[in-house]
Amino acid sequence: GAGVSQSPSNKVTEKGKDVELRCDPISGHTALYWYRQSLGQGLEFLIYFQGNSAPDKSGLPSDRFSAERTGGSVSTLTIQRTQQEDSAVYLCASSPRRETGTQYFGPGTRLLVL
Amino acid sequence: AQSVTQPDIHITVSEGASLELRCNYSYGATPYLFWYVQSPGQGLQLLLKYFSGDTLVQGIKGFEAEFKRSQSSFNLRKPSVHWSDAAEYFCAVGLMEYGNKLVFGAGTILRVKS
Repeated sequence: GAGVSQSPSNKVTEKGKDVELRCDPISGHTALYWYRQSLGQGLEFLIYFQGNSAPDKSGLPSDRFSAERTGGSVSTLTIQRTQQEDSAVYLCASSPRRETGTQYFGPGTRLLVL
Repeated sequence: AQSVTQPDIHITVSEGASLELRCNYSYGATPYLFWYVQSPGQGLQLLLKYFSGDTLVQGIKGFEAEFKRSQSSFNLRKPSVHWSDAAEYFCAVGLMEYGNKLVFGAGTILRVKS
């Protein structure tokens, strides 16, 4: 079946602009995660959605970052007023059940802020 | 705090030789443990996971890993490396009490000599 998909695959933006990154999880997966992969920080957790519960936003690095998940499926990660340090690969993962903990990752969106 | 240590940044092995990638973790309870592989420009692919039970787990592509509680380790092994195994390998701990979000090690880059 189809895996996790993310769009766009690459995004180049200017400092100060807003960007939106999209994630389509595997159908039926209830949990959705966003991570960031950067040269200096490695792989970091950003935010986690589980069903209709309030999301765990504990990994978001600043209030310029936000995310939503509509209809328990598609998620959008928004970065406002982008900074050069936001340049990274943003990875989305979904999980079939919270208890299993097994996450399936998308190919990522590579963001470059000029 | 929870952490994952992969002490080897780079490892080079000859094709056909055996491989062991080290991973140590710090976590207060029995963890969920994972190994992921990432090829250049790609997302993360799950190799194997440990939740409970048999401490030797088998994964895809001929990989296995052994959980050793006394050493807080979860080392990845392969008896005979193929050139296609060249990639970056990440060990991760799933935090059960925090929605199973993953804490990753810094990664080990594997190079395979022909």
